[in-house]
Amino acid sequence: DTAVSQTPKYLVTQMGNDKSIKCEQNLGHDTMYWYKQDSKKFLKIMFSYNNKELIINETVPNRFSPKSPDKAHLNLHINSLELGDSAVYFCASSPQIRGLGNTIYFGEGSWLTVV
Amino acid sequence: GESVGLHLPTLSVQEGDNSIINCAYSNSASDYFIWYKQESGKGPQFIIDIRSNMDKRQGQRVTVLLNKTVKHLSLQIAATQPGDSAVYFCAENQGNTPLVFGKGTRLSVIA
Repeated sequence: DTAVSQTPKYLVTQMGNDKSIKCEQNLGHDTMYWYKQDSKKFLKIMFSYNNKELIINETVPNRFSPKSPDKAHLNLHINSLELGDSAVYFCASSPQIRGLGNTIYFGEGSWLTVV
Repeated sequence: GESVGLHLPTLSVQEGDNSIINCAYSNSASDYFIWYKQESGKGPQFIIDIRSNMDKRQGQRVTVLLNKTVKHLSLQIAATQPGDSAVYFCAENQGNTPLVFGKGTRLSVIA
């Protein structure tokens, strides 16, 4: 069973469109995240949620809106897609929001290409 | 494995040799460190972690060394295999701050 699963794995869409990426974790973790990985493999945190509550919102355009219907799900909706949004988006989860040993587990990634 | 310019640092190692991947971290207050492995087309996968009250930790074929004096972390892989080919990231955090990832090093194993 996949611990952190996200869909779709590949997404090609035109500029200006709105798209969503879904994420679910079956690890029973309290905290979920969205990370963005650019073409240079740099991983940067976008958001984190703890028990459905937004904890971290890094400098991300308002076009990106996370939604957490319950603590096992964290979806990412992107409005008015731009070319620069092309990247790999990783969902992740961890047992809690803070503390030593709080290992983060990643999904397989969603490859977004905006044309 | 310092990141310079636009290219991902690459380490090429002969199969069977030992690999050492280095990471310099910036926050002297960081107290938890993790190494992740990312294979092509997959998400980062946890390899090994170490807390700041330790300077060495061993796993299966992997060893992490922490030198807090110079803020340096290294990952040693013994008897490197083709399946070890991947991008390796170090990550650090302090207390309740989010995990911050380093820029990654690509390990290429030559058969």
